[in-house]
Amino acid sequence: ILNVEQSPQSLHVQEGDSTNFTCSFPSSNFYALHWYRWETAKSPEALFVMTLNGDEKKKGRISATLNTKEGYSYLYIKGSQPEDSATYLCASSSNAGGTSYGKLTFGQGTILTVHP
Amino acid sequence: DAGITQSPRHKVTETGTPVTLRCHQTENHRYMYWYRQDPGHGLRLIHYSYGVKDTDKGEVSDGYSVSRSKTEDFLLTLESATSSQTSVYFCAVTPGDRWGSPLHFGNGTRLTVT
Repeated sequence: ILNVEQSPQSLHVQEGDSTNFTCSFPSSNFYALHWYRWETAKSPEALFVMTLNGDEKKKGRISATLNTKEGYSYLYIKGSQPEDSATYLCASSSNAGGTSYGKLTFGQGTILTVHP
Repeated sequence: DAGITQSPRHKVTETGTPVTLRCHQTENHRYMYWYRQDPGHGLRLIHYSYGVKDTDKGEVSDGYSVSRSKTEDFLLTLESATSSQTSVYFCAVTPGDRWGSPLHFGNGTRLTVT
């Protein structure tokens, strides 16, 4: 995988449903994987940064896992609420040398809509 | 917002004119970034800076130049604006001065090139 890919592109769920998204990224020279939440008319806000294989992070009802060997991360939202409606972005960077650590490559995002 | 101010917030300009966008930060962060956001493309890195006068290209740097003569300001210049550069531009910083720290974004600049 040369790019960062996210699936699905969009998702509609009912309030109370649990949901998850996938982020695939290049596994070679992996450095860090970021998740961001982006609400309409606002700026992206960081949810998690993960660096180690097997990392799991949790923030309230949102959690994420990381598999650096196979190059994927999952974001889970438990008991979705309408206020969770947003675009969820993942981004990865590599340790290919020099200043490559700073080159975060973003996926296209998963648009989540939670219906009351 | 990690003390980030982008200016202008909105700009309309004509094809062929030079345009400079400014990102100003008040918290002495070392790393600063310029991204553009377009439908279907997510956020794409244009240029970034890892110190005063230290910059590097991102994935979509053609047609853009940057300058960072002091820690607090990171300028993005479109030398000769084209319609393909119509976009929303976000500046970001890395608090904590570690590459692996999460990005904090400014509020964005909406640029329209007619």
